[in-house]
Amino acid sequence: DAKTTQPTSMDCAEGRAANLPCNHSTISGNEYVYWYRQIHSQGPQYIIHGLKNNETNEMASLIITEDRKSSTLILPHATLRDTAVYYCIVRGPFYGQNFVFGPGTRLSVLP
Amino acid sequence: EAQVTQNPRYLITVTGKKLTVTCSQNMNHEYMSWYRQDPGLGLRQIYYSMNVEVTDKGDVPEGYKVSRKEKRNFPLILESPSPNQTSLYFCASHIGIPAGNEQFFGPGTRLTVL
Repeated sequence: DAKTTQPTSMDCAEGRAANLPCNHSTISGNEYVYWYRQIHSQGPQYIIHGLKNNETNEMASLIITEDRKSSTLILPHATLRDTAVYYCIVRGPFYGQNFVFGPGTRLSVLP
Repeated sequence: EAQVTQNPRYLITVTGKKLTVTCSQNMNHEYMSWYRQDPGLGLRQIYYSMNVEVTDKGDVPEGYKVSRKEKRNFPLILESPSPNQTSLYFCASHIGIPAGNEQFFGPGTRLTVL
């Protein structure tokens, strides 16, 4: 069963911030939120992950609501190369727990 | 450079001809897994391994075998491929210890079974 819900597709203008939402209302206290993306048919690429606090790295920012039931991935200045399918994944910390990929959000960055 | 490699990247074969897709990682990761990706079905896990000689079935293991004789390698074996195994395959690895860690994916192997 999917643990996350994401919009099927989104558009974003080049140079603007892309905000990708994810609902994970059944998340447990020890489960992490991960974001991956897949450009065309390449291997999925890790973007960022977090537990409770907001996180930022060179690629993106992750904003997790206080109740942890939803999160938003922010690409601050989207480029055409950010066009991809973005996956939000909830995963526990225990050894051997798998990454379950849903259908994701297809982000199209438009010139 | 930390990476997961897969070979071959592309393969066209015929029904029933045994094949092996190799996967290797250079990060000393304990956990490795295989996924297949089909249009409309997303990424589905085939098999995974939590360490050498420890393997387990994922969501779609039928028709596949794996082995984990060394930490770095995790080959996917199709003993008798069939057309419904035509797919895009990804190998992945991560360190496996508790707490959040990223999973690294290989570049993919596009398999066509005629």
